[in-house]
Amino acid sequence: DAKTTQPTSMDCAEGRAANLPCNHSTISGNEYVYWYRQIHSQGPQYIIHGLKNNETNEMASLIITEDRKSSTLILPHATLRDTAVYYCIVRVAEGAQKLVFGQGTRLTINP
Amino acid sequence: GAVVSQHPSWVICKSGTSVKIECRSLDFQATTMFWYRQFPKQSLMLMATSNEGSKATYEQGVEKDKFLINHASLTLSTLTVTSAHPEDSSFYICSARVRGRTEAFFGQGTRLTVV
Repeated sequence: DAKTTQPTSMDCAEGRAANLPCNHSTISGNEYVYWYRQIHSQGPQYIIHGLKNNETNEMASLIITEDRKSSTLILPHATLRDTAVYYCIVRVAEGAQKLVFGQGTRLTINP
Repeated sequence: GAVVSQHPSWVICKSGTSVKIECRSLDFQATTMFWYRQFPKQSLMLMATSNEGSKATYEQGVEKDKFLINHASLTLSTLTVTSAHPEDSSFYICSARVRGRTEAFFGQGTRLTVV
């Protein structure tokens, strides 16, 4: 699976949009981009995933560049409960493919 | 939907004893479950992949005789930490793949403390 690079930490003001970048320059054509987050002392929570088109759900939006070498997770109106470690993972979708976690980005939402 | 439940949420055991952690998919069938371990301030580390009805596949460096995984049904996988020692104290997390979907869902984790 392709390796990802994320900033170690980020801060965002409550109510503002939080934009979390992820670089995956070695991504293959059949690999998806997945985002998970982990709130302290809990299991990871699935957020969103995509292949090449931008995606949006009730939690977030995922913007993938045209060359697919990077992506941005957007939390449109961050709240204090969005404080967590956010993981960007690339992986093929088929089969029982395992998720390999990097270090992620520690996002802190400030009041 | 897609709820994964782990039990217990936390456990304290004496050194040398064994501890079993259960992972259940409550509203779906999970043909594949994954077990992770997480030490403080570190990321999740995959320990093994468990397929229903077959032996688990362990990641390099994970002792299969120490971390026994059983995936006897499509809704239950268990991890048994045998002869636990203080260095096994960690946060253990399971996840499961939903048939027909690509994303995995995670349990709430089990904090093991060996004293």
